[in-house]
Amino acid sequence: GAVVSQHPSWVICKSGTSVKIECRSLDFQATTMFWYRQFPKQSLMLMATSNEGSKATYEQGVEKDKFLINHASLTLSTLTVTSAHPEDSSFYICSASSDSYGYTFGSGTRLTVV
Amino acid sequence: KQEVTQIPAALSVPEGENLVLNCSFTDSAIYNLQWFRQDPGKGLTSLLLIQSSQREQTSGRLNASLDKSSGRSTLYIAASQPGDSATYLCAVRYNQGGKLIFGQGTELSVKP
Repeated sequence: GAVVSQHPSWVICKSGTSVKIECRSLDFQATTMFWYRQFPKQSLMLMATSNEGSKATYEQGVEKDKFLINHASLTLSTLTVTSAHPEDSSFYICSASSDSYGYTFGSGTRLTVV
Repeated sequence: KQEVTQIPAALSVPEGENLVLNCSFTDSAIYNLQWFRQDPGKGLTSLLLIQSSQREQTSGRLNASLDKSSGRSTLYIAASQPGDSATYLCAVRYNQGGKLIFGQGTELSVKP
């Protein structure tokens, strides 16, 4: 089946620093990847759609200058949380889509900003 | 507005019971529907994918049905086990490559 690898699984950073999260499709090519944020006891909230070779499409209310997305190849998308603050602490999950398997999700990244 | 609703929000059953989780969607013109499982602090694991032309999919003790005309899907879990305890999410997609629209999930607890 399709596998999506997400790293790191958890990260703690100081307020004001930037953090990069990687999302890789291991055995299929993904022209489109998706980034979600999840708060405790809530469902996933789509942040942006990452398109290979072009600019990401952000959902309403998501700051594109704070959450930088780069999709430079068919197997890698990155999310960089810039100048992180405690309110950015959350669980971030990426996913990629294939016709055969639908959506496949990464294992998520727990970000804690102190 | 395209919305997905899951009922119940939480469910607790004794081990061995068969159970049904419900998912409804407001716009029936879906491309496909997918059921996921999420364990606490983890990502999502895909359970079953049903294309719009299909009526059901089965994997082991799991069976998912799709009734587009009524805007409903059910996930049937047979002979539940404590290891089935997790949050189950239903999501629909309306076009190829399009974004998923999630329900709020059903938190399942199977007691030994």
